[in-house]
Amino acid sequence: GAVVSQHPSRVICKSGTSVKIECRSLDFQATTMFWYRQFPKQSLMLMATSNEGSKATYEQGVEKDKFLINHASLTLSTLTVTSAHPEDSSFYICSASRDRGQETQYFGPGTRLLVL
Amino acid sequence: AQSVTQLDSHVSVSEGTPVLLRCNYSSSYSPSLFWYVQHPNKGLQLLLKYTSAATLVKGINGFEAEFKKSETSFHLTKPSAHMSDAAEYFCVVSSWGGGKLIFGQGTELSVKP
Repeated sequence: GAVVSQHPSRVICKSGTSVKIECRSLDFQATTMFWYRQFPKQSLMLMATSNEGSKATYEQGVEKDKFLINHASLTLSTLTVTSAHPEDSSFYICSASRDRGQETQYFGPGTRLLVL
Repeated sequence: AQSVTQLDSHVSVSEGTPVLLRCNYSSSYSPSLFWYVQHPNKGLQLLLKYTSAATLVKGINGFEAEFKKSETSFHLTKPSAHMSDAAEYFCVVSSWGGGKLIFGQGTELSVKP
């Protein structure tokens, strides 16, 4: 149990376009979902925390208008990279936990974004 | 504030020999600590978790870690490395109140035949 999926696994887009990444908890209800960004050979950096039915909480330095997060249901959160630029190219990973404040997070397989 | 430091960015071992990946943490309270593994271009998999119960924590795939409060350490070990263990390993501490995870810089483990 506790499987998290992401779609797409890889996406290439042109500069200036928007890209949506989906994160789904397949066999449990995720009250809280997290979005991370990982640059090559680096650690994961938390971008934002989203609780179902409320606005996401963004980490310092993350542009909320650039990275739109919607947690519309207990099994789905989406991250939309608006007006993507080459510097947005990265590996985006989501995770989900069953309860608010629950420490164990279950991670998705990640989405590789390349902006040309 | 909580933080973790992974003391080695890269560790190389031969297949069948022991693995030691070092992690030190800083926390003003009794923390929850985790080790996650990430294979190339994959998401993260939880290896094990410490939450103030037994100080020696056994995880999946033969890994274990020992919480040592006096040394503020949470080193990951495995008696005998396998080729499939080659991956990136992250030591992680949870923030106060849970919810947020704070990642170490990662240790890349290479396993030679």
